[in-house]
Amino acid sequence: AQSVSQHNHHVILSEAASLELGCNYSYGGTVNLFWYVQYPGQHLQLLLKYFSGDPLVKGIKGFEAEFIKSKFSFNLRKPSVQWSDTAEYFCAVPGGYNKLIFGAGTRLAVHP
Amino acid sequence: DGGITQSPKYLFRKEGQNVTLSCEQNLNHDAMYWYRQDPGQGLRLIYYSQIVNDFQKGDIAEGYSVSREKKESFPLTVTSAQKNPTAFYLCASRLKSSYEQYFGPGTRLTVT
Repeated sequence: AQSVSQHNHHVILSEAASLELGCNYSYGGTVNLFWYVQYPGQHLQLLLKYFSGDPLVKGIKGFEAEFIKSKFSFNLRKPSVQWSDTAEYFCAVPGGYNKLIFGAGTRLAVHP
Repeated sequence: DGGITQSPKYLFRKEGQNVTLSCEQNLNHDAMYWYRQDPGQGLRLIYYSQIVNDFQKGDIAEGYSVSREKKESFPLTVTSAQKNPTAFYLCASRLKSSYEQYFGPGTRLTVT
């Protein structure tokens, strides 16, 4: 069965620090990978997605993620975080019947 | 504005009562989903519907029921049989041709 694992449940950073959030998946089909973000009090929204092509994907707000097939990973990165990046981040892969399977989430707190 | 609306934002109920959560979308999306979000557990799929008058159980359907009488609407009923109903409930939708899901703002249900 498909699964998604996010290694860091809570991350605390100072502004301007670099960010990398881990995501590993187990999936046997065509790879489609997603990162969603949930800012405090806001909708869950798509940050970026990978369907095919260049394994380095650029998303909104300066985020990027790299698909490494050999490691079954899709880690999220940002070179310099801001206080406004404080949010919960979810990695997701398709499950059967057009579902998405979500990881447990990583809560990021950025201190000014 | 196109989007997904969920109402109410906060809902309080006594144990033993059924409660229905509303989800409406005007995106003309085919499929709709209900997730439950609990701290540290990510999003877990309750029910989903790919077309009108059809729906399937997700991973944690026990104690819940849904209907899909119109394309725009996918209400979720939390019955008294659900053992731990207090949670944050998210509705989502997507086009048939894409895995990407769009989320509503959520309803926080508290049962005492």
